[in-house]
Amino acid sequence: SQQGEEDPQALSIQEGENATMNCSYKTSINNLQWYRQNSGRGLVHLILIRSNEREKHSGRLRVTLDTSKKSSSLLITASRAADTASYFCATDAWGGSNYKLTFGKGTLLTVNP
Amino acid sequence: EAQVTQNPRYLITVTGKKLTVTCSQNMNHEYMSWYRQDPGLGLRQIYYSMNVEVTDKGDVPEGYKVSRKEKRNFPLILESPSPNQTSLYFCASRRDFSSSYEQYFGPGTRLTVT
Repeated sequence: SQQGEEDPQALSIQEGENATMNCSYKTSINNLQWYRQNSGRGLVHLILIRSNEREKHSGRLRVTLDTSKKSSSLLITASRAADTASYFCATDAWGGSNYKLTFGKGTLLTVNP
Repeated sequence: EAQVTQNPRYLITVTGKKLTVTCSQNMNHEYMSWYRQDPGLGLRQIYYSMNVEVTDKGDVPEGYKVSRKEKRNFPLILESPSPNQTSLYFCASRRDFSSSYEQYFGPGTRLTVT
């Protein structure tokens, strides 16, 4: 079953603008990760935020996590055409015999030059 | 260079002809997994392995087998492929599952079953 659900499904912006993508999930997690995928290629890890963290930064990326609302957001500031890709959140949960990293369906971001 | 490799990258085959997609990582990672990616469905986990000789089913294991005889290799076996297994397959590894480490993905294998 899908744990994370990204919103919106697709986002189109102009270069220089900020892009915000959201992720909601259903059950308790240990951490949440964001990945990027260029068309048809492997996923690349962007950032990991632990369940006891609320905000994390990495370069032009800012991730927030609200465990009470079971949601996360990824902000890309000053976007570039090279940021065009699909972005996935993945929830990391383990306990008992269950060890899963579960991906959402992704947000397709298009940054127009 | 730290990496996950998959072979082949592209494969067209016919229904029922057994095939194996190989996966290898050079990072001494304990945890490895296989995903399939389909339009509108995102990535779904097929099987995962916590360590050598330890494998378990993911969300969509039907029609697939795996083995983990060595730490670095985690092949995906389709004993009798069917057209509904046409998909983009990714192998991934991470240091272990209990620690908060990123997952490294291979470049993908695009499989078409006719």
